Amino acid sequence: AAGVIQSPRHLIKEKRETATLKCYPIPRHDTVYWYQQGPGQDPQFLISFYEKMQSDKGSIPDRFSAQQFSDYHSELNMSSLELGDSALYFCASSSSTMTFTYNSPLHFGNGTRLTVT
Amino acid sequence: DAKTTQPPSMDCAEGRAANLPCNHSTISGNEYVYWYRQIHSQGPQYIIHGLKNNETNEMASLIITEDRKSSTLILPHATLRDTAVYYCIVRVLTRGKFYFGSGTKLNVKP
Repeated sequence: AAGVIQSPRHLIKEKRETATLKCYPIPRHDTVYWYQQGPGQDPQFLISFYEKMQSDKGSIPDRFSAQQFSDYHSELNMSSLELGDSALYFCASSSSTMTFTYNSPLHFGNGTRLTVT
Repeated sequence: DAKTTQPPSMDCAEGRAANLPCNHSTISGNEYVYWYRQIHSQGPQYIIHGLKNNETNEMASLIITEDRKSSTLILPHATLRDTAVYYCIVRVLTRGKFYFGSGTKLNVKP
């Protein structure tokens, strides 16, 4: 079965540079979530999109922005990178129907490992 | 914002059942309990979820107490590949996002 695809798998950037992470959800999934997982930490929710509109916002820094496109893929844009941004970034997707259902599970990609030097 | 409490670690012998507990005493009536696991920096993997009835699938069983204040994930025959961090998550009602707590590190030993 098709899974959530994230690219790139690994990314190395220097401080103050910008980075763009991409996420391709499972076909027919309309909701995308972004998570950040620092070394030895648990995944932290950043932001989510439903039908191309931001649906919720977590602990996402102002230097980060994201969007969901008409084909439902999503991009996380990160600017003025800091050493502390080094982490695994996971994207997840889920499906909803006409209304937002609360019981469909999230399916995660295998993440992008961002290293800021 | 975590609404669940899990032991930080557990050991299990290979081939035996692994029973992972989770407390969620403040769960609301229409919030579901989800279980995920994360194997060494891979993406969290969905295992099972339930509302109030016990659930079973090809991976595991989920037992939810009648008052819904706690649950147990059961891996019936643990293998070395089941070594992972297991997260019990109560879905926040608004907009479907998940908050991950600290999880249980399950060590399956030969």
